[in-house]
Amino acid sequence: GEDVEQSLFLSVREGDSSVINCTYTDSSSTYLYWYKQEPGAGLQLLTYIFSNMDMKQDQRLTVLLNKKDKHLSLRIADTQTGDSAIYFCADQKGTALIFGKGTTLSVSS
Amino acid sequence: GAVVSQHPSWVICKSGTSVKIECRSLDFQATTMFWYRQFPKQSLMLMATSNEGSKATYEQGVEKDKFLINHASLTLSTLTVTSAHPEDSSFYICSAREMGARAKNIQYFGAGTRLSVL
Repeated sequence: GEDVEQSLFLSVREGDSSVINCTYTDSSSTYLYWYKQEPGAGLQLLTYIFSNMDMKQDQRLTVLLNKKDKHLSLRIADTQTGDSAIYFCADQKGTALIFGKGTTLSVSS
Repeated sequence: GAVVSQHPSWVICKSGTSVKIECRSLDFQATTMFWYRQFPKQSLMLMATSNEGSKATYEQGVEKDKFLINHASLTLSTLTVTSAHPEDSSFYICSAREMGARAKNIQYFGAGTRLSVL
């Protein structure tokens, strides 16, 4: 299967929490990343987590890592319309980053 | 901080011509830069890893003679698509990793270049 897998779409209402899930295959990963891509733009690093951590919180963003299940999630609290974008989970492979196909988050008001 | 500038943002060219895309780290030095290609509604596919002062490392299936990469300084890498054809039309994105940041492998991305070959 793919190295990094994500669900393709998520639709939420403004003010709700969004949870984007990701699974990866490489158990030797040291860091895992979340990037955001707005239409026609490059990728913006949102956050990253060291593999020996279970959770990392940064303002409205919470990253949960279950290393045993190789599962990573990104929770966005109080989701806003400006959060509408594609969110990519990324894993390390040597010096390269391996990206999932991205989850399109749609926020309705 | 950590700004990566990519130029041009959009280019249209005739089949058979060559196109050069520049990637610059504006406020940090990058010994390593990466070039990705992204198809519509798809993920980013790594094309090559560019190291300052040495030859680029290409991923399997990427033609090195087709996609020429030069990383002549710590702040600039260029990708030249030679003899472009319509199938080369895509969104090309570069990223740069700050010196000393190899362990965390944090890459900062440019805004991308949309290439359309007629």
